[in-house]
Amino acid sequence: DIQMTQSPSSLSASVGDRVTITCRASQSISSYLNWYQQKPGKAPKLLIYAASSLQSGVPSRFSGSGSGTDFTLTISSLQPEDFATYYCQQSYSTPGFTFGPGTKVDIK
Amino acid sequence: QMQLVQSGPEVKKPGTSVKVSCKASGFTFTSSAVQWVRQARGQRLEWIGWIVVGSGNTNYAQKFQERVTITRDMSTSTAYMELSSLRSEDTAVYYCAAERSDGGVRAFDIWGQGTMVTVSS
Repeated sequence: DIQMTQSPSSLSASVGDRVTITCRASQSISSYLNWYQQKPGKAPKLLIYAASSLQSGVPSRFSGSGSGTDFTLTISSLQPEDFATYYCQQSYSTPGFTFGPGTKVDIK
Repeated sequence: QMQLVQSGPEVKKPGTSVKVSCKASGFTFTSSAVQWVRQARGQRLEWIGWIVVGSGNTNYAQKFQERVTITRDMSTSTAYMELSSLRSEDTAVYYCAAERSDGGVRAFDIWGQGTMVTVSS
């Protein structure tokens, strides 16, 4: 199975900060990489698909980049509603569309 | 609006099975794919498997290969996930999520509300 790692595992930031989260795959996954935001007690919400495509309705302060094994999610100016946990997911190969371990973003 | 509505919470005894349903509305179910994901309290998301609705093709995570079956009923626009030989470690919230490109783009943008499955003697 393809293993996914994320860094950092958590970060503290202030409103208005630029935040970058990294996701790495154990082998090339082309651009089959999704990013999700999850708040406590809620289902995940798709932010970015195919590594860099912004899901409809998601604010433009969210952006994604990368291909192959290294990917980045950037929040250009952190807003109060962005405090959450962020997960990457590879959808390149079965038998497992594995998720990363998550990055928790909380208030500094 | 596009939505997935899952069945209600379940309490099961170890060794038994659970079947969770996921009813789609507001989009073309037959042109979608549905994945199942679970999350134990405070833990990461864990992928279980998926089904490409039109073809009925399925794939399962190796961890669940022997115990899980994912099916769909196109007449009722419903996907199902059945997990057998339950153990306490299977206690988690189970989510279904759909993408709308026959499994091509794999952008899972529609999520169910989650179903809590508790395994306890």
